[in-house]
Amino acid sequence: EPEVTQTPSHQVTQMGQEVILRCVPISNHLYFYWYRQILGQKVEFLVSFYNNEISEKSEIFDDQFSVERPDGSNFTLKIRSTKLEDSAMYFCASSELGLGPTDTQYFGPGTRLTVL
Amino acid sequence: LAKTTQPISMDSYEGQEVNITCSHNNIATNDYITWYQQFPSQGPRFIIQGYKTKVTNEVASLFIPADRKSSTLSLPRVSLSDTAVYYCLVVPSGSARQLTFGSGTQLTVLP
Repeated sequence: EPEVTQTPSHQVTQMGQEVILRCVPISNHLYFYWYRQILGQKVEFLVSFYNNEISEKSEIFDDQFSVERPDGSNFTLKIRSTKLEDSAMYFCASSELGLGPTDTQYFGPGTRLTVL
Repeated sequence: LAKTTQPISMDSYEGQEVNITCSHNNIATNDYITWYQQFPSQGPRFIIQGYKTKVTNEVASLFIPADRKSSTLSLPRVSLSDTAVYYCLVVPSGSARQLTFGSGTQLTVLP
């Protein structure tokens, strides 16, 4: 069964540093997403991406965040200057069409980001 | 966006059937009900989705009454490995694509 993969599984960084989290969505999927989950809290939507553009973003996704599809397989989330409160699990997801409620989002295993 | 309410936690024993009920009183006509499962330190995993009546797959069944104001996820004969958080989501149709997760139900399966 095809899977979303994410690297690294755990990233430790110093406050103020830039981090790039990487995802390989399922190959025939067209919509890509980033979510995050702070320890003990809910899974929160960050951004969706389609056709090389941001489709939707939440209030969390401020100017410190950016997304990119640098090639035909990778999808990245960059945090320019990390803060302590960015420590969380970051999940990438992808879906095939993004055309409505029956379009299932498949999640990756996550990257645990720890900001010191 | 329809708000969902589900129990915070449930305990069960191996081999039992588990039913987790979710209420979504303000569900809209074209909304679908979707359930995800999440193990610790892993991403949510899609279980099942439905609109009305009953949907069954190899993992679970989903029962949705005619008024669609609630739904019940049924897990047959649970095992220890079914211990996880289960999320009920109402997914609006149309252009909205983000998923809104609540707090979910922590299911603990005991030996």
